[in-house]
Amino acid sequence: EAGVAQSPRYKIIEKRQSVAFWCNPISGHATLYWYQQILGQGPKLLIQFQNNGVVDDSQLPKDRFSAERLKGVDSTLKIQPAKLEDSAVYLCASSLAGGDAEQYFGPGTRLTVT
Amino acid sequence: AQSVAQPEDQVNVAEGNPLTVKCTYSVSGNPYLFWYVQYPNRGLQFLLKYITGDNLVKGSYGFEAEFNKSQTSFHLKKPSALVSDSALYFCAVRASIKAAGNKLTFGGGTRVLVKP
Repeated sequence: EAGVAQSPRYKIIEKRQSVAFWCNPISGHATLYWYQQILGQGPKLLIQFQNNGVVDDSQLPKDRFSAERLKGVDSTLKIQPAKLEDSAVYLCASSLAGGDAEQYFGPGTRLTVT
Repeated sequence: AQSVAQPEDQVNVAEGNPLTVKCTYSVSGNPYLFWYVQYPNRGLQFLLKYITGDNLVKGSYGFEAEFNKSQTSFHLKKPSALVSDSALYFCAVRASIKAAGNKLTFGGGTRVLVKP
C-alpha cells in the first residue's frame, strides 16, 4: 500500500515570497490533515478536510495561509506572503473517517524562510 | 481545551533495559489516545492507540502502553530497548465526543536515546 506522498521535500524562500505544498493521501482515506511542526515542538493542526469539505481550520492563519482539496483527493497548502516564523516542517496526514482512526503521515516538507 | 504533557525532553536507557516514556493528558469526556514515533527526516509513524476496553494496549515493534483513567496517563513502555528505538516519541489525545474542532492534540515530544 502506497503511503502519503508530499512534495517538495525541501524548500527555501525569502520572506514575502509565496510557496505551495502538495499532498496525495492514501487511497480511500476520506480525511486529510495539514500540520505545522516547528523545531522542538509537536505537530500543530492547521486544517482538516473530510472529503473536499473543511472540518476544522481554526488554527490556520487565514490572512496568509490557504488550502484546498479539490475532488476530495489531492490537496495543496499555500503560504502568501511567507514570514520568517513560517519556517517549519509541514506534514500532511490522512485517515479513514472517524475520531478513533489513526493518522498516516507523509515525510513532510521542510520550509526555510530567509 | 485539551492538552498533552510529556514531562521528559529526553530519556536515556541502556540497550536491553526497560524503556518508559511518560504522557499525561487533559480532555473533556473519554479520550482517544495515540503514540507516534518520528525518525530523523521522516514523518510520524503510528505505534498504538487506546480507544476503549483493555487498559493495556499492545502495538508495533514490541511497544505497549497502559491507560490509567484516574491518573489521566498513557505511558509508553518496552520491556527491552534496542538501539534502533532511538527516536522522537509523541503522545496525542483526541476527545471521543463528536464535536466541531475535535482535533488531535500532540505533546511536545520525548527524545529517546538507547545506548549500546
